[in-house]
Amino acid sequence: ETGVTQTPRHLVMGMTNKKSLKCEQHLGHNAMYWYKQSAKKPLELMFVYNFKEQTENNSVPSRFSPECPNSSHLFLHLHTLQPEDSALYLCASSQESGSDIQYFGAGTRLSVL
Amino acid sequence: RKEVEQDPGPFNVPEGATVAFNCTYSNSASQSFFWYRQDCRKEPKLLMSVYSSGNEDGRFTAQLNRASQYISLLIRDSKLSDSATYLCVVSSNSGYALNFGKGTSLLVTP
Repeated sequence: ETGVTQTPRHLVMGMTNKKSLKCEQHLGHNAMYWYKQSAKKPLELMFVYNFKEQTENNSVPSRFSPECPNSSHLFLHLHTLQPEDSALYLCASSQESGSDIQYFGAGTRLSVL
Repeated sequence: RKEVEQDPGPFNVPEGATVAFNCTYSNSASQSFFWYRQDCRKEPKLLMSVYSSGNEDGRFTAQLNRASQYISLLIRDSKLSDSATYLCVVSSNSGYALNFGKGTSLLVTP
């Protein structure tokens, strides 16, 4: 266990659904991240939060909406997704954002029908 | 030029072999370098940090060449359990995040 917990582990949703992914870290870290990993592609950074403030949004479509209520929790709200959004969504945390080692959760495997 | 480039492989090697992976990066100002390991359908996990002077952890040796902007990972005496994808990771231009390479796939066979 890395101390980063993601739920749900698997999610199947239709294009008109709204769902949320949850990430919780028990490491006392101040930075949290969302990544997307599609087949045969490198990890794509989506969002970075440092001390609950969003510091990076990597041109992510508005159908993905992050929320960081505190340093330990991170959500990714999903609505009107497309089939090409099907991927593994990984949450990570680090002591602070930047060059620190990142610890990953097990991910949510999302399928959009 | 991609920020982090790796040969995707796959590298197929027999047990006991020595195998080396290289990675190049584009940001000359990067300060942090890591190798992560990712097993099939699992999350990436830190294998080792890479220091300027080079560092070793058991059978694994990492080297950094700043002048040529490349990083290497050497695995000696390969085990079946070393089969995985190895991700080269470099701190980003923004300073807020890390850039991950696409990974190099290693398969160690009996």
